[in-house]
Formats: sequence, C-alpha cells, structure tokens
Amino acid sequence: KNEVEQSPQNLTAQEGEFITINCSYSVGISALHWLQQHPGGGIVSLFMLSSGKKKHGRLIATINIQEKHSSLHITASHPRDSAVYICAVTLISSGSARQLTFGSGTQLTVLP
Amino acid sequence: DADVTQTPRNRITKTGKRIMLECSQTKGHDRMYWYRQDPGLGLRLIYYSFDVKDINKGEISDGYSVSRQAQAKFSLSLESAIPNQTALYFCATSGRRGAYEQYFGPGTRLTVT
Repeated sequence: KNEVEQSPQNLTAQEGEFITINCSYSVGISALHWLQQHPGGGIVSLFMLSSGKKKHGRLIATINIQEKHSSLHITASHPRDSAVYICAVTLISSGSARQLTFGSGTQLTVLP
Repeated sequence: DADVTQTPRNRITKTGKRIMLECSQTKGHDRMYWYRQDPGLGLRLIYYSFDVKDINKGEISDGYSVSRQAQAKFSLSLESAIPNQTALYFCATSGRRGAYEQYFGPGTRLTVT
C-alpha cells in the first residue's frame, strides 16, 4: 500500500465547476504539499500545510491531521487549471533529510 | 532567471552510454534532491545531499551516481544507461531553517533507446 493515496486519478470538469481532489496518507507527517505540474512538465508548489486551511486565489487546501486526509479545492474552474495535481508529504521519519513522498497525481481537465 | 536550472532539458541516448544530468541553484539552499518520474508511479527519490560532503541514497539509487561539486551544483550520472531509465528527472532544493518546501527545476526528459 502506498503511503500517499490520491483520488480521483483522472477528473474532467466543465468550466466554472467546483473541483475537489483528495489525498490520504498512512503515516506521521511533518508537512503536506500540493504541487501542480503543467503539460510542459515543470512542477510548482501550490501549498504547504501542517494544519488547518490555506487559500490562494481560487485554490483552497485543507488538512485534517486526525483523519490523515487533505483536500484541494478549485472554485470556478477554468481551462487553464488543467494540469496534474500532486499530493506529497514530508514524513516525520525522514528526519532532517525532509525528502518528499509523492502520491501518483490527479490529471485534471477542465473543458470550456 | 530561474532559481533551479537543469541541463539538458531533453536527451536521447543509446543503451550502454554514460550520461550526466546537471542541476544548479541560486537559492543558497543546502539540501538538494534528484527525483525520477514515471507515468502512473509518481515521483521517487534517487539521491539527496545535505552539503558537499554528505550524499545519501534514496529509494531507487541502483544504476545511478551523484556528485555535489559545490553547494549550488548537484549532478546525476547514469554510468551505463538502460531503456528502463527512460523517465522525467527532476532536481529540487530545500533550505535549512525549518522549511519543508521544495523548489523544483524544470525537469530533464531522458530517453534511452
């Protein structure tokens, strides 16, 4: 079983829809990251969370430490939001190395 | 200019060839990482380095070696490339002071024929 599980693997939405991508993890973490990867391949960090909720523009990320679960929400989705969204965690067991452990990603396609 | 750069961006090579992927950063970070991305598998850690004298194997280090030539430079080598090393390779950096955020390079797409 992977330490980080994402769902869904693929998601197609119509422009304007509210989108939710889920991430569950099975071990203790120091931080949870949401990353965005565009078709060109580059990876950009959207959020880093250790508790609560963060908002940036139309993007909202939440984390429930007790349930070991995080969600990424996109409000008023737009075709330019089409990308792969990756959940990653910094495991407590990684110590000072702080390397990331990744989910397999969610391919989001927003249709005009 | 980008904070984390990788060269080359694309490379096609033949089985058995030695190839080096290079990563440079201007963020002044001490930690540097090499990850590999395969479709459907997500990214996996190959090697990481705390500083020039401290290099550590990751989850999938077999067939790879690294060199940290300076704080700003971290190179990944495939001594004898094989087709299943065809993948997208990312370098990333992270700072020292309690920050967990990582900053990624643009990636190198490597094809081994």
